[in-house]
Order: sequence, then C-alpha cells, then structure tokens
Amino acid sequence: DAGVTQSPTHLIKTRGQHVTLRCSPISGHKSVSWYQQVLGQGPQFIFQYYEKEERGRGNFPDRFSARQFPNYSSELNVNALLLGDSALYLCASSLPTGGLYNEQFFGPGTRLTVL
Amino acid sequence: ELKVEQNPLFLSMQEGKNYTIYCNYSTTSDRLYWYRQDPGKSLESLFVLLSNGAVKQEGRLMASLDTKARLSTLHITAAVHDLSATYFCAVDMYNNDMRFGAGTRLTVKP
Repeated sequence: DAGVTQSPTHLIKTRGQHVTLRCSPISGHKSVSWYQQVLGQGPQFIFQYYEKEERGRGNFPDRFSARQFPNYSSELNVNALLLGDSALYLCASSLPTGGLYNEQFFGPGTRLTVL
Repeated sequence: ELKVEQNPLFLSMQEGKNYTIYCNYSTTSDRLYWYRQDPGKSLESLFVLLSNGAVKQEGRLMASLDTKARLSTLHITAAVHDLSATYFCAVDMYNNDMRFGAGTRLTVKP
C-alpha cells in the first residue's frame, strides 16, 4: 500500500512569493495534519483537518492556510514568504480511532527554501 | 503551555553499550509516541504508548510511559551503528495538536 505522498519534494522561492504544498494521505485515512520542521528542531504543528474541516491549529500566522478536499488530500498554502519559512514541511495522516489515539504516519516532506 | 523536553539532545555511544533517552512533559496526557528520523528523511513511527505503565519493545529499543511522573523513556540495549538517527518523543494534546520534543541525536560508534 502507498504511504503518505507529498509534492513537490523540493521547492525554492523568494521572499514575498506564495507557495502551495500538496499531500495525499494513506488510503482510508481521513485526517491530515501539517507540520513545519526547521533544521535541527522537532516538528511544529500547523494544522489538522478531518472530514474537510479544520480541527486544530497551531501557533502560526494567518499567512499559513490549508484545506482538505473530498478525496481527503490536502493543500498547505503560505503567502508572503519570509526567510524564516525555510523548513521541511511534513504531512501526516491518521485513521480515526474514536478519540482513542492519534498515531500519525508521516510523508517524505517538502523541503522549502526561501531566498 | 505544554512543554516536551528530551534529554540528552546529543548522545554518542559505543557499539554494545546501553543508554536511556528521557522525555518529560508538562501536562496531563496518556498518549505518547516515539519516532525515528534519519538525516534528510521523514519520521518513522516506533512506539505508541497509551496508558500509565505501558511498555513496548522492538529489537534493541524499549519504550515506557509513566503518566504520573509525566515521563517516558526510550532504552537502547547493546547499541549498533544502524540505530544512529534522531529520536523524537511526541505528546498528544487531545485537541488534535501533537507536541514534539527537540529530538535526541544519537550517534553509535564502533
């Protein structure tokens, strides 16, 4: 079975530009979460979507937005890019467990470099 | 605010030795996860710990959870080079927010 897929794998942008990152969850998974991992640090939670609705949001500015589509794939959008947005962006999908737990399976990530 | 603290942040071990990585967290949770990350790669799920006293083992790694002490440990037995990686613990906040520690960068030397 295919795991979580993300595209593109690498991306170079300049300050002020906009970027869209894409994620396809594991088949059957309805929840998608996005994380930002700056080099040398642990992942930081950005958003979680479940059944196309935002279910959680981390401490990120409004320049960050996301959405989930009917097929459960997701996009993360970042506007007005800053140098500090350079990071590995990870998407994770999980299978609903009725609130029991939230084991997440991570995709390979998109490496974003802002120049 | 929830804090998740791992120590040590850097660990250099010799092959064959044992060591423990600690993960302390500052709020009530009984759902804790351990992940492994190789350089330039994504995160691989190692263990899911869901209750006080939970202990899980896979090969040379064993994880445990003490929810009363808000502490999880990842014990490495007879380390081998293939275990060299960065290990993260993560605490489930119950509000769909997962908080990760800063990671422990493990290097196993011959």
